[in-house]
Amino acid sequence: GAVVSQHPSWVICKSGTSVKIECRSLDFQATTMFWYRQFPKQSLMLMATSNEGSKATYEQGVEKDKFLINHASLTLSTLTVTSAHPEDSSFYICSARQGAPGNSPLHFGNGTRLTVT
Amino acid sequence: AQTVTQSQPEMSVQEAETVTLSCTYDTSESDYYLFWYKQPPSRQMILVIRQEAYKQQNATENRFSVNFQKAAKSFSLKISDSQLGDAAMYFCAYRGYTGANSKLTFGKGITLSVRP
Repeated sequence: GAVVSQHPSWVICKSGTSVKIECRSLDFQATTMFWYRQFPKQSLMLMATSNEGSKATYEQGVEKDKFLINHASLTLSTLTVTSAHPEDSSFYICSARQGAPGNSPLHFGNGTRLTVT
Repeated sequence: AQTVTQSQPEMSVQEAETVTLSCTYDTSESDYYLFWYKQPPSRQMILVIRQEAYKQQNATENRFSVNFQKAAKSFSLKISDSQLGDAAMYFCAYRGYTGANSKLTFGKGITLSVRP
């Protein structure tokens, strides 16, 4: 089946630094990738939608200058948390869609646990 | 905008028994998809079952089945013969067909515990 690899699985960084999270589709081309944020025992909140070769579409309330998303190829999207602060500590999950909307399934990465000290 | 509501934050079931998880949604679209996802402690999102709105027949996957009531906008998940490995958070989700509606909207989730 389709596999989405997310790296790193966990990261600890100091306040003020930037962290990059990668999301790769290993055996299919992902026309669209989605980035979610999840706090403990809560739901997944969509942060942004990225399409290969174009700017990401951010959800309301998500700071695009803080959460930089790049979807440079059909198999890789990156989320960079810039100038991280402790309140950015969370679980970040990506998902990738193979093909056009509609019947195309979504495949999830294993998530990245970010801790900002 | 579409909304998905899971009003029960927690449920518990005895091993081998049956449990039903509730979900309602709101949409103005006539065609869409509904999903149930399982998230165990590993945090991996696992697709449990999927239902296309245009299909009247309720989807089933082994011990998992849904009761899809389109007019009532209700989409409940029934787990039969519950197993210890079913313990997890379960999310109901909605996805439209095209454009901005094709993103996945999740409910708040329900934590299911299974008693041995």
